[in-house]
Amino acid sequence: AQTVTQSQPEMSVQEAETVTLSCTYDTSENNYYLFWYKQPPSRQMILVIRQEAYKQQNATENRFSVNFQKAAKSFSLKISDSQLGDTAMYFCAFMIGQGAQKLVFGQGTRLTINP
Amino acid sequence: GAVVSQHPSRVICKSGTSVKIECRSLDFQATTMFWYRQFPKQSLMLMATSNEGSKATYEQGVEKDKFLINHASLTLSTLTVTSAHPEDSSFYICSAPPGNPNYGYTFGSGTRLTVV
Repeated sequence: AQTVTQSQPEMSVQEAETVTLSCTYDTSENNYYLFWYKQPPSRQMILVIRQEAYKQQNATENRFSVNFQKAAKSFSLKISDSQLGDTAMYFCAFMIGQGAQKLVFGQGTRLTINP
Repeated sequence: GAVVSQHPSRVICKSGTSVKIECRSLDFQATTMFWYRQFPKQSLMLMATSNEGSKATYEQGVEKDKFLINHASLTLSTLTVTSAHPEDSSFYICSAPPGNPNYGYTFGSGTRLTVV
């Protein structure tokens, strides 16, 4: 069975600091996609960043970047220059194969950015 | 960007009644829709996958007779909670790929269901 583990239930940092959220996953598949989703207090799920497993280069989106270690099955999210608006639940997720496949989510990490 | 409109955002119903939740893809065709349930401070739990024009596929442990899913068109999928009970109170979210699923999914804004 495919699983996603986020070992940090809660994290808290000061505004402008850098924070890294951890995620590990388990699958025997070779073709899959990894995602980080953000769920702010409004509870609207928002895609933060994505990574194709076949790509070695780590994805970046402005202040957000990932450290994808395929052999270790690790997919951490780094948020640079954190902002108050980054306060949210962050979910790591992955999808196997092609087409409209289901997302498998981790337990989530509650991130608080303090002023 | 691609939008999935979900209604209602909040609903309170009496125990024993049925409640329908709608998810509409506004600017794309949603061949597939995923329905999730989220308990407070927990992750999203996939309930079922619906495909336009065919029967939904339910995850293990989800009662298909209680959670009726209909996906009659490419822009509308509905979840009906039948004979609701207080334990059905939860946050329900729908999701669909707006294009290539490899690029991520768009989520509805969720429905908070309270059964009293």
